[in-house]
Amino acid sequence: DTGVSQNPRHKITKRGQNVTFRCDPISEHNRLYWYRQTLGQGPEFLTYFQNEAQLEKSRLLSDRFSAERPKGSFSTLEIQRTEQGDSAMYLCASSPKERVNEKLFFGSGTQLSVL
Amino acid sequence: RKEVEQDPGPFNVPEGATVAFNCTYSNSASQSFFWYRQDCRKEPKLLMSVYSSGNEDGRFTAQLNRASQYISLLIRDSKLSDSATYLCVVKRAGGFKTIFGAGTRLFVKA
Repeated sequence: DTGVSQNPRHKITKRGQNVTFRCDPISEHNRLYWYRQTLGQGPEFLTYFQNEAQLEKSRLLSDRFSAERPKGSFSTLEIQRTEQGDSAMYLCASSPKERVNEKLFFGSGTQLSVL
Repeated sequence: RKEVEQDPGPFNVPEGATVAFNCTYSNSASQSFFWYRQDCRKEPKLLMSVYSSGNEDGRFTAQLNRASQYISLLIRDSKLSDSATYLCVVKRAGGFKTIFGAGTRLFVKA
């Protein structure tokens, strides 16, 4: 399977702990996105990478969130000092560089539960 | 006001029915438009892009009205397998953010 891979699938943590998620995009895709989705809502944009450069970050993202894509391949999303409100599905998506209509390929997501 | 708004539904329709969903967007600089489908507990997947002249893919027809800033999706001859959440998606010109609506839930019943 050469789709977008996310690990872990599920993460349960206690409030105040740090967590890190990993995303491996489709290998030839240079664009990578992180989204967060809660029940009954659509995916909410968090951040975007083109190769290793983080080009956009949502204003909704607090300082406790950081994302990296050090070599332009896989990416990590870290949440420090987790809060119960961080409980959500964290989705990663990648896309190739196309001219106009850009299809996003999503991974299966990491479901975070903060107790 | 959300940048992309959809009627959350749910729409409950019998098999074979025709159903239509609308979506409005607030940013007139929006450039690209899509419909994604999301099954329960699964990731979103592209259903179809939406072009200015309107486009059709089998039983699915998408329309774009730039003047009124709305997008529609029409599903003809509904199947049980069409039951899902349909997400309206908008991408701004010159930017990277792809904005998702909250989705419209569809239940097709036998």
